[in-house]
Amino acid sequence: IQMAQSPSSLSASVGDRVTITCQASQDINTHLNWYQQKAGKAPKLLIYHASNLQTGVPSRFSGSGSGTDFSFTISSLQPEDIAIYYCQQYDDLPTFGGGTKVEIK
Amino acid sequence: QVELVQSGAEVKKPGASVKVSCKASGYTFTSYDIHWVRQATGQGLEWMGWMNLNSGSTGYAQKFQGRVTMTRNISISTAYLELSSLRSEDTAVYYCARDGSQEYHYLDVWGKGTTVSVSS
Repeated sequence: IQMAQSPSSLSASVGDRVTITCQASQDINTHLNWYQQKAGKAPKLLIYHASNLQTGVPSRFSGSGSGTDFSFTISSLQPEDIAIYYCQQYDDLPTFGGGTKVEIK
Repeated sequence: QVELVQSGAEVKKPGASVKVSCKASGYTFTSYDIHWVRQATGQGLEWMGWMNLNSGSTGYAQKFQGRVTMTRNISISTAYLELSSLRSEDTAVYYCARDGSQEYHYLDVWGKGTTVSVSS
């Protein structure tokens, strides 16, 4: 299953609402997770099963979608959110999206 | 605390093999599957495969079939990734990650990564 993530990069101001999309090549129900990777660090789980917030993750992060179309939103971008974000499907053997680099304008 | 500690950096020549270890602590080793994910410099995450640490069953990405072997030593709570016939394109950081849910298959605990460099 291929995961098409967009945009590949974005620049936004602190406080902006940021949305990233992920499209699966076939129906994956809600079998989708989202990760954040900061420079030089391992990825960190943010959202699982499309819309469930991992324990300890700030509520400004959210996810939605089902079937083939998913979105990930940061409701109010903070400086510490600078990172690359990845979606990952687990409907079949796992695959990751290509990533979205989020920068501060 | 729950932790995955990986072995140190490796430098290998093309055609050689590399074996990376991932030692778990802070939880029951055999209760969670382990996945391996790699990342070349400046590139995205690439899933390689998983292992059920209880049964020993494995599943590998088609790209790595025939070159990858995942094993474990339950007595020392350690999982291993072995990749053979190395080529320059295998230069990457290799991560092990715990599968935190048999239902949702999210990777909730990650090792810090092991850098593998392949160069003649």
